[in-house]
Amino acid sequence: AQSVTQPDIHITVSEGASLELRCNYSYGATPYLFWYVQSPGQGLQLLLKYFSGDTLVQGIKGFEAEFKRSQSSFNLRKPSVHWSDAAEYFCAVGILDSNYQLIWGAGTKLIIKP
Amino acid sequence: DAGVIQSPRHEVTEMGQEVTLRCKPISGHNSLFWYRQTMMRGLELLIYFNNNVPIDDSGMPEDRFSAKMPNASFSTLKIQPSEPRDSAVYFCASSYLLGDTQYFGPGTRLTVL
Repeated sequence: AQSVTQPDIHITVSEGASLELRCNYSYGATPYLFWYVQSPGQGLQLLLKYFSGDTLVQGIKGFEAEFKRSQSSFNLRKPSVHWSDAAEYFCAVGILDSNYQLIWGAGTKLIIKP
Repeated sequence: DAGVIQSPRHEVTEMGQEVTLRCKPISGHNSLFWYRQTMMRGLELLIYFNNNVPIDDSGMPEDRFSAKMPNASFSTLKIQPSEPRDSAVYFCASSYLLGDTQYFGPGTRLTVL
């Protein structure tokens, strides 16, 4: 069965340090790939998405993600985090065949140390 | 654009009462999704519609839950009767096409006492 794994439930990073959040999926073909962010008390907001083409995708707020087919991964990165990046980050995988499934990871909560 | 609109933002009710959550998707969007989010279970897809037709309701937890989309600009999620374990934040999201980016509403925080 298809699945999405975000192996880190929490990550703590110092302000100004670099960040990488991991996402792995299980699916035979190339799915649609998304990263969303949820600030406390808010809905989810799209950071970036990959459908096809260049495997390095730029998103909002200085985030980027790289699709690696061989590793079935779509890791999210940011070179220098800001305190306002503290939030929960969700990876999602969209599979469109006879129907549509959007499978969500469990989320990674990012904590920023001053 | 106003974005996805959900009402009410907060709902507190007593066990056994009927609860109706409302959603107005972004104009022109063809797909609408209802989610539930709790600390224990994370984000769960309950049901989604495409062109106002329910496509997959396998995530609806029980017969107490029902959802409708009478037209392209309005959807409801109803819980009857409500139970304390239904307490959660319920999100509505819409997208232009299935597989496209989903835009989320601010959510309805439901508390069932």
